[in-house]
Amino acid sequence: SAVISQKPSRDICQRGTSLTIQCQVDSQVTMMFWYRQQPGQSLTLIATANQGSEATYESGFVIDKFPISRPNLTFSTLTVSNMSPEDSSIYLCSVVQGTNTEAFFGQGTRLTVV
Amino acid sequence: DAKTTQPPSMDCAEGRAANLPCNHSTISGNEYVYWYRQIHSQGPQYIIHGLKNNETNEMASLIITEDRKSSTLILPHATLRDTAVYYCIVRVLIFYGQNFVFGPGTRLSVLP
Repeated sequence: SAVISQKPSRDICQRGTSLTIQCQVDSQVTMMFWYRQQPGQSLTLIATANQGSEATYESGFVIDKFPISRPNLTFSTLTVSNMSPEDSSIYLCSVVQGTNTEAFFGQGTRLTVV
Repeated sequence: DAKTTQPPSMDCAEGRAANLPCNHSTISGNEYVYWYRQIHSQGPQYIIHGLKNNETNEMASLIITEDRKSSTLILPHATLRDTAVYYCIVRVLIFYGQNFVFGPGTRLSVLP
């Protein structure tokens, strides 16, 4: 199973600023995903991080607000830009290692915007 | 939208079997059923998955009906540490990869 390290684990940020979240995996993975979990809600997929190309965003999420990088097969970053209190959520990195296999999740980054 | 429906909450006595149902009546022939759980303030944890046959591992058993329109996750001897939100997911295959779509899940409370 893949071991995922997500940093930071939590942060409190001022509105209008940006935060970059890192996701490091201990082995090469096929797919990497970023999810958001708003307070009391289920997980919502933000985007698929594509290695060497632009991420693929789900409806309602745009690159200007959530730029994503994936420079190699073990690392990705998600930036939450120009933050507002509505961005206060847990952000989770997820990876898949092959076809028809399970996804593994990081422990998440708990973001509070004040 | 999630392709599964689950009861929003369930209670189970400690030491008893917890049976969590899931309906997935529109499942396609090549889609797998996955179960995850999320303990408070942690990332989702993989439990088990299956296609058509029943599956068992050290955590749980997965029973899939013959028509594959529903399934049941069984925790044979629930403990207080099994209190969590349990998600039943039908794997959505998309052209650029494989996506997991989370519904609201079932909040299982294991009671002493």
